[in-house]
Amino acid sequence: GESVGLHLPTLSVQEGDNSIINCAYSNSASDYFIWYKQESGKGPQFIIDIRSNMDKRQGQRVTVLLNKTVKHLSLQIAATQPGDSAVYFCAENMRNFNKFYFGSGTKLNVKP
Amino acid sequence: KAGVTQTPRYLIKTRGQQVTLSCSPISGHRSVSWYQQTPGQGLQFLFEYFSETQRNKGNFPGRFSGRQFSNSRSEMNVSTLELGDSALYLCASSPISTSGNTGELFFGEGSRLTVL
Repeated sequence: GESVGLHLPTLSVQEGDNSIINCAYSNSASDYFIWYKQESGKGPQFIIDIRSNMDKRQGQRVTVLLNKTVKHLSLQIAATQPGDSAVYFCAENMRNFNKFYFGSGTKLNVKP
Repeated sequence: KAGVTQTPRYLIKTRGQQVTLSCSPISGHRSVSWYQQTPGQGLQFLFEYFSETQRNKGNFPGRFSGRQFSNSRSEMNVSTLELGDSALYLCASSPISTSGNTGELFFGEGSRLTVL
């Protein structure tokens, strides 16, 4: 089946620095991608999404980049804060099939 | 607007028993999906329901089943529980359009099942 993976299982950054979380996906037919944040004891929380007709999308302090050539997705968090500490998942989906494949997750530790 | 509500939040069962988990989606969301989350396998898709019909199914044995009611509320059932079924079961609803285009998933807090 399809696989979505992450390069780094744990990322530690200093408060105020920028964070970059990477994700590789294997299904070239995937056309919708979402980044989720999951805090301990809670369900995943939507951060930002991007469709395959775009290569960059910005939100509040977050930017998602999509490189379809190498099937790579990244999440950039500007001015990382302690509240950003969580596990981050990327998820991929094919249009009209409401079935998402999730990566294994990256734990982000923000050091004060 | 209330979020996705899952009950119960925590439950403990023994091997061989069965369990039913409930999910109330966000008002107006007609698509409900279920995912299993474990430390070893991560988030894995179980199934998705839309208008009371199962539209998508993951690679889980037949012991895992679900249904959706006319008010979009959904339940999932696991029969003949095994130790490996211990997991966080997450429900997500989606504002999928009538054209079928995928929308973002809004997750509940999950039901944590422990099988002893």
